[in-house]
Amino acid sequence: QVQLQESGPGLVKPSQTLSLTCTVSGGSISSGGYYWSWIRQHPGKGLEWIGYIYYSGSTYYNPSLKSRVTISVDTSKNQFSLKLSSVTAADTAVYYCARDDGGSFGYWGQGTLVTVSS
Amino acid sequence: DVVMTQSPLSLPVTLGQPASISCRSSQSLVYSDGNTYLNWFQQRPGQSPRRLIYKVSNRDSGVPDRFSGSGSGTDFTLKISRVEAEDVGVYYCMQGTHWPKTFGQGTKVEIK
Repeated sequence: QVQLQESGPGLVKPSQTLSLTCTVSGGSISSGGYYWSWIRQHPGKGLEWIGYIYYSGSTYYNPSLKSRVTISVDTSKNQFSLKLSSVTAADTAVYYCARDDGGSFGYWGQGTLVTVSS
Repeated sequence: DVVMTQSPLSLPVTLGQPASISCRSSQSLVYSDGNTYLNWFQQRPGQSPRRLIYKVSNRDSGVPDRFSGSGSGTDFTLKISRVEAEDVGVYYCMQGTHWPKTFGQGTKVEIK
């Protein structure tokens, strides 16, 4: 059973960079066949796909966030990471990592709330 | 971006009665490989989303058979044959055919 767990600071100051890591267990990122995505949910709101990475390092980002997003992978640790720069209060959200089979998200992490505030 | 429009946004249901949620996309969701990447997710209060249905009508493992998905092209439906108390939550449709992947606004299912 694949499991994903997000980790990172719960509080980030405006204009700084949000950094989160997703640790995958029960399956290897480097085995291929899946993409590894980040998705966020603003408080009380819907879901927004941020982007994904493949084990090879190829990425695709949502154009709405592309200028501020970087997703990277560390196959030796079976982890992938999200960096979102120049954050504002509008970036306050629950951030989820998920396994992306190319057309859907079959496995999700529990999510981590990141608040942007001084 | 492909816009996913769900209706209704709020759905009060009596226990044991059926429920139906509609999802319409602004473009056809048929991909070049012939598949239609339309998915349904359930998010119970305080939990992560959980996928119920993938590729229009395929139930995920462990999903009760009272949940069913149907539709084609741009019009899709999630049906619950007999609502149970554990079905309370928000339901989202999501398309994985076009980039970026997009979700509907969510439909809140509650018990009357």
